[in-house]
Amino acid sequence: EAGVTQSPTHLIKTRGQQATLRCSPISGHTSVYWYQQALGLGLQFLLWYDEGEERNRGNFPPRFSGRQFPNYSSELNVNALELEDSALYLCASSETTSGMYTDTQYFGPGTRLTVL
Amino acid sequence: AQTVTQSQPEMSVQEAETVTLSCTYDTSESNYYLFWYKQPPSRQMILVIRQEAYKQQNATENRFSVNFQKAAKSFSLKISDSQLGDTAMYFCAFMNSGAGSYQLTFGKGTKLSVIP
Repeated sequence: EAGVTQSPTHLIKTRGQQATLRCSPISGHTSVYWYQQALGLGLQFLLWYDEGEERNRGNFPPRFSGRQFPNYSSELNVNALELEDSALYLCASSETTSGMYTDTQYFGPGTRLTVL
Repeated sequence: AQTVTQSQPEMSVQEAETVTLSCTYDTSESNYYLFWYKQPPSRQMILVIRQEAYKQQNATENRFSVNFQKAAKSFSLKISDSQLGDTAMYFCAFMNSGAGSYQLTFGKGTKLSVIP
């Protein structure tokens, strides 16, 4: 069974540009989570999508946004890039069983975003 | 808000020896899950072990076991018979299952090096 996949592996942008990161969850998983892993800041929760809806977001400005598609894949968009947005962005997925969310999240390999 | 503290930024252990990684957390919730994730240099986050707070029995997965002390809010990871492939960053994580949001709160991590 294929795991969580993310693309691209690396992304280099300049300040002020927009970045789009993509995630495909494990087949059958409906929830997608995004985390930022920045040097010195550790892993921080960004966004949670389930069934096409944004369910929760972490303490990040509105220029971090995303969406979830009908096939449950997800996109993270970062607008007006700043130098401090340079980080590893991790996507995770989990399944919902009988309407109940399960606790275990499975992670993808991440996208390394570098802002110059 | 929940916090997770890993007080050992770096640790090393000889191959085949046993090592314990510490984790404490702070929460006022009664229903939650605790996890240890491993992130090798390849950067893929891998679930090592999970513990449900309502279970008194400590979780075990092969060479990995936890010492869960709910009253002390402590959740340490013991790795027995350490192998070179155990070299990685280890993150302790908390999930509040009762709040309707399922994001993970991570500690800063412990870098474990297994020495041949």
